Amino acid sequence: LAKTTQPISMDSYEGQEVNITCSHNNIATNDYITWYQQFPSQGPRFIIQGYKTKVTNEVASLFIPADRKSSTLSLPRVSLSDTAVYYCLVGDGGAGGFKTIFGAGTRLFVKA
Amino acid sequence: GAVVSQHPSRVICKSGTSVKIECRSLDFQATTMFWYRQFPKQSLMLMATSNEGSKATYEQGVEKDKFLINHASLTLSTLTVTSAHPEDSSFYICSALYTSGNTIYFGEGSWLTVV
Repeated sequence: LAKTTQPISMDSYEGQEVNITCSHNNIATNDYITWYQQFPSQGPRFIIQGYKTKVTNEVASLFIPADRKSSTLSLPRVSLSDTAVYYCLVGDGGAGGFKTIFGAGTRLFVKA
Repeated sequence: GAVVSQHPSRVICKSGTSVKIECRSLDFQATTMFWYRQFPKQSLMLMATSNEGSKATYEQGVEKDKFLINHASLTLSTLTVTSAHPEDSSFYICSALYTSGNTIYFGEGSWLTVV
């Protein structure tokens, strides 16, 4: 099981770009990297997923280096509503089964 | 994205009674679903993995006789907290493994308060 390590918390200001890095040194060949956002009293919400290199969607970008031992979630021009906990999750749905073990997550606080 | 729904979102029950929480994948079939527990300001803790048509796999330390999980169809898994006690009060979240097999989507969560 790939263990993930993220910064416990980050502060930012509205309009800034925020980059949150996750370390997953023992990621397996078949593992994908997925990021989620969680607000209080809600289930985590899917943000973005990638396997290698760079992935971009309408809300974020995900950068994955060649060795895949880390990944960086990039949130462009954050707003107050982006204040939340962000989790990276590493796993696959292969024959071995998908095991979801959450790390501590990163608490992002966006200030006005 | 895929939609996973939980019901009820909040439930209060008396100590000693049982309560059931449902998790449904609304627009895809999920052979595998997961149940978590989350305490305030803490991360999600995996309780069990639910596979359609077979027994759930529980994580170490989770009492399978207390937290009954049933995954009778490809779109529904249920968690029943039996003989609930105040210490079982928590936020319970489910997720479902999407058809592609690489992504899980989460329900909205259910607050259980045992009085």
